[in-house]
Amino acid sequence: DAKTTQPNSMESNEEEPVHLPCNHSTISGTDYIHWYRQLPSQGPEYVIHGLTSNVNNRMASLAIAEDRKSSTLILHRATLRDAAVYYCILRDAGMSYGKLTFGQGTILTVHP
Amino acid sequence: DVKVTQSSRYLVKRTGEKVFLECVQDMDHENMFWYRQDPGLGLRLIYFSYDVKMKEKGDIPEGYSVSREKKERFSLILESASTNQTSMYLCASSSPDRVPNEKLFFGSGTQLSVL
Repeated sequence: DAKTTQPNSMESNEEEPVHLPCNHSTISGTDYIHWYRQLPSQGPEYVIHGLTSNVNNRMASLAIAEDRKSSTLILHRATLRDAAVYYCILRDAGMSYGKLTFGQGTILTVHP
Repeated sequence: DVKVTQSSRYLVKRTGEKVFLECVQDMDHENMFWYRQDPGLGLRLIYFSYDVKMKEKGDIPEGYSVSREKKERFSLILESASTNQTSMYLCASSSPDRVPNEKLFFGSGTQLSVL
């Protein structure tokens, strides 16, 4: 399986944008890039996913590099409720339903 | 929004007890899953179900069983609890999309301690 690499931790101030990077240099052409986050003492929460084009939803934006070897999750205005562990995951059609392989993720701290 | 509800937030049981963990989802999803999450080991799939009365083993089914009598409800059963089953248990359901686009919706988890 293709692997993702994320920084262990990042910090941000409230109401500032946050850019969370993810490297996936061995990504295959059929791998989709998914992001989940896990708030303290909660289950993981789906954030966003994409294949090639940049994606936006009410929670975040996903910017995918042209060569797809990296991507960035963008939180446009961080709030204290965005403090969580963010996981970047690759999924392709050959995987089983529900199969999620979480790496270490990035611990995001948001300062008031 | 999808809601996945797990019956207990914290549970303390004794070794050898039979333990039932209940999970209910309100979005009419066919796929439901049980995971456990342990520090350093990430998320591990125990069992899953694609439909009522159907079940499939995940990566670590030993010591567990499941029941799905109704579409919205998926139960995890620890037949005889052991201390190595102390963990955070997470239930999830998933959107009716093919795998690359599948989105999983998780409950808040049950922290089980087996003494």
